[in-house]
Amino acid sequence: DVLMTQTPVSLPVSLGGQVSISCRSSQSLVHSDGNTYLHWYLQKPGQSPQLLIYRVSNRFSGVPDRFSGSGSGTDFTLKISRVEPEDLGVYYCLQSTHFPDTFGAGTKLELK
Amino acid sequence: EVQLVESGGGLVQPGRSLKLSCAASGFTFSDYYMAWVRQAPTKGLEWVASISYDGGSTYYRDSVKGRFTISRDNAKSSLYLQMDSLRSEDTATYYCVRLGDYWGQGVMVTVSS
Repeated sequence: DVLMTQTPVSLPVSLGGQVSISCRSSQSLVHSDGNTYLHWYLQKPGQSPQLLIYRVSNRFSGVPDRFSGSGSGTDFTLKISRVEPEDLGVYYCLQSTHFPDTFGAGTKLELK
Repeated sequence: EVQLVESGGGLVQPGRSLKLSCAASGFTFSDYYMAWVRQAPTKGLEWVASISYDGGSTYYRDSVKGRFTISRDNAKSSLYLQMDSLRSEDTATYYCVRLGDYWGQGVMVTVSS
């Protein structure tokens, strides 16, 4: 299975600040169809995960432009600017290029 | 509005069976692959199984292969997960997921004697 390594595990932030979360895969996530199936989710406390970014850099419907995704191959980053209270929770990356789909272990974004 | 509502969870003894259901609404169910993803208490997310549009193709993680069966009824816009020979390590919240974008609220399954 593809191993997804997320760092950091915990990320203290001040409201209004900017943070980056890294996700690295144990093999390239470029699919034979040319797409890269790397996605980002946020799980707020007590809620189910919600999709933020799909295929590396595409914001899902309703996701503010404070969220941006980048990367290629095996190295990916989620950036959050002007952090707001509703951004707090656990962020997960997911690869669906290779069977089976695998998630990163999560990064907890919390207030300093 | 896309809605996915799971049901059927509960407490079950090891070795017994349980069937989860997911009622979908707000979209054309037969147009989407569907999946089950689980989350053990205080742990991360783990893909369990997926099913193609018409149910003709199914996929499972190794640890549930031969014990779990994913199925769907497009006429009823419903997804199912039949879980047999349950083990303590299957204890988790199970989420019904549409093609990785929309998730249900989850249903808790506890396997314990």
